[in-house]
Amino acid sequence: GESVGLHLPTLSVQEGDNSIINCAYSNSASDYFIWYKQESGKGPQFIIDIRSNMDKRQGQRVTVLLNKTVKHLSLQIAATQPGDSAVYFCAENSGGGADGLTFGKGTHLIIQP
Amino acid sequence: KAGVTQTPRYLIKTRGQQVTLSCSPISGHRSVSWYQQTPGQGLQFLFEYFSETQRNKGNFPGRFSGRQFSNSRSEMNVSTLELGDSALYLCASRVANTEAFFGQGTRLTVV
Repeated sequence: GESVGLHLPTLSVQEGDNSIINCAYSNSASDYFIWYKQESGKGPQFIIDIRSNMDKRQGQRVTVLLNKTVKHLSLQIAATQPGDSAVYFCAENSGGGADGLTFGKGTHLIIQP
Repeated sequence: KAGVTQTPRYLIKTRGQQVTLSCSPISGHRSVSWYQQTPGQGLQFLFEYFSETQRNKGNFPGRFSGRQFSNSRSEMNVSTLELGDSALYLCASRVANTEAFFGQGTRLTVV
């Protein structure tokens, strides 16, 4: 699989490989984090979330890792498929549920056959 | 159950006009928030409503306003449209401190 140390606007991976998308968040008070997937012409779609009292959470083919020390979030997608092609955004919620989500810049994941 | 519904899907307006966008949240969701998405600025938070009250507002000029009705449906209004207001406007609904569910968005083009 391919990983990126810093945010990249585009990540190209081979079908079947693992993908790692990174995100740096801004607010040390944020206590809730979400990864969204956005396909062309559609609104963002929820993938997985994690709260600040955890450092890892797994879903179906996806894993989110949270490193609060360096304010870093990553999304790992196992066995990447053509349908995974989309723009991926991380979002943070600074707490209380009353604030809006702050979104990262997004990474366009391109799947090569 | 039905997802978040936004109307209209596409809109073309002239500079100086005003526009109203509508959002129907998922049934049972009382929090509705609005976001603006542009290629240059990405996804930016506009405001959030809960039980007909604006709880939080992003860094946008006063030309951007919104409201929420007793059935949780929400509208946002942009007055005196500028070319830079061209964007995808997204509405999201949620239960407190959980993931936000987004609608398909309204694509606004200002000419």
